[in-house]
Amino acid sequence: DAGVIQSPRHEVTEMGQEVTLRCKPISGHNSLFWYRQTMMRGLELLIYFNNNVPIDDSGMPEDRFSAKMPNASFSTLKIQPSEPRDSAVYFCASSLLTGAFFGQGTRLTVV
Amino acid sequence: GESVGLHLPTLSVQEGDNSIINCAYSNSASDYFIWYKQESGKGPQFIIDIRSNMDKRQGQRVTVLLNKTVKHLSLQIAATQPGDSAVYFCAESLDTGRRALTFGSGTRLQVQP
Repeated sequence: DAGVIQSPRHEVTEMGQEVTLRCKPISGHNSLFWYRQTMMRGLELLIYFNNNVPIDDSGMPEDRFSAKMPNASFSTLKIQPSEPRDSAVYFCASSLLTGAFFGQGTRLTVV
Repeated sequence: GESVGLHLPTLSVQEGDNSIINCAYSNSASDYFIWYKQESGKGPQFIIDIRSNMDKRQGQRVTVLLNKTVKHLSLQIAATQPGDSAVYFCAESLDTGRRALTFGSGTRLQVQP
């Protein structure tokens, strides 16, 4: 298995633009998580899904952030409009019965 | 100006020595714990996990110890190698893979050759 696959690896965008981050979880995993990592706040959970259903989105910063999981093999995290304070590394992770396995992350820079 | 980030505690060890990384977790109801290793520019990598009905679990060169009484977790790395240099995070959860993990702030391990 190729592991959790995220795209793009790097994204630079201008403030106000829409950004979409993509994730393909490990095949067979039924939980998917979106985390954000910054120097100031470390690793923070944004949202997680079980069996494609959002379970807890209390970590989503505000209405500018949204996440979807249309099927078991794909999820997106969208930021609209983006702001410089959204600059961070965004990780997707998936799991089945044990701890989560992480992708390589998307480094987002909003200028 | 320059932003102030998390100050990661750093453990510096000599190659070949054993390393012990400690973690205090927050939720007494947590029943599942994991150690992750994160190298620069990469995502966290699963090292070893332990459930709350155990107090010790061993892997290849690594051992995790759990003390529920004082909510303490430790990771022991035997014969530390330069490739072990990374940031190590402990994480806790209420229900194995079905609930999200809460991460600690991390410890940087530096292995001196």
